[in-house]
Amino acid sequence: NAGVTQTPKFRVLKTGQSMTLLCAQDMNHEYMYWYRQDPGMGLRLIHYSVGEGTTAKGEVPDGYNVSRLKKQNFLLGLESAAPSQTSVYFCASSRGPIVVDEQFFGPGTRLTVL
Amino acid sequence: GENVEQHPSTLSVQEGDSAVIKCTYSDSASNYFPWYKQELGKRPQLIIDIRSNVGEKKDQRIAVTLNKTAKHFSLHITETQPEDSAVYFCAATLNDYKLSFGAGTTVTVRA
Repeated sequence: NAGVTQTPKFRVLKTGQSMTLLCAQDMNHEYMYWYRQDPGMGLRLIHYSVGEGTTAKGEVPDGYNVSRLKKQNFLLGLESAAPSQTSVYFCASSRGPIVVDEQFFGPGTRLTVL
Repeated sequence: GENVEQHPSTLSVQEGDSAVIKCTYSDSASNYFPWYKQELGKRPQLIIDIRSNVGEKKDQRIAVTLNKTAKHFSLHITETQPEDSAVYFCAATLNDYKLSFGAGTTVTVRA
């Protein structure tokens, strides 16, 4: 049982380049989330999904897109990377709503945009 | 939306002493308050949580208290050990999917 995994672990992009971050979970969880973590700011929710085929905006969605074509995968896309998107990105999943079920985090992806 | 403030930003304690971290929240409708521990370079992990219908919860050396009237909640770590050194985040939510996190507290336990 791998839990929540993220690919890649590190990435360096140039301004304007695009990339996709992959999150996978093998716990059959319905809910999945993407957060970014910046120094001194805690974690902020980018997008989330409450089930296969659904996505919704979180607190800081601008500049990002997501897709949940399969229940176990949640993809985060950056169409045109900007230096302000330099951050550590964490994916998380939960069986049900946060108030009921624990949220499990992936190991993180450290992204640098030059 | 919900706004969570966390204090202090850094905390240094002698091994064996207690550590207390305090958080305040803005929306009185928030009903779930988890605490996460994040070791350097690792992922956040839930260590304890409390719901709005409970005033206090304890799990071995850690405890959380909630004051709904004042809209604040606190994490208490007793008999601190070197492995307690980490960044601790509080969070609050008033719905099923969105956690609002505090900025974090870096706890250092001195041997």
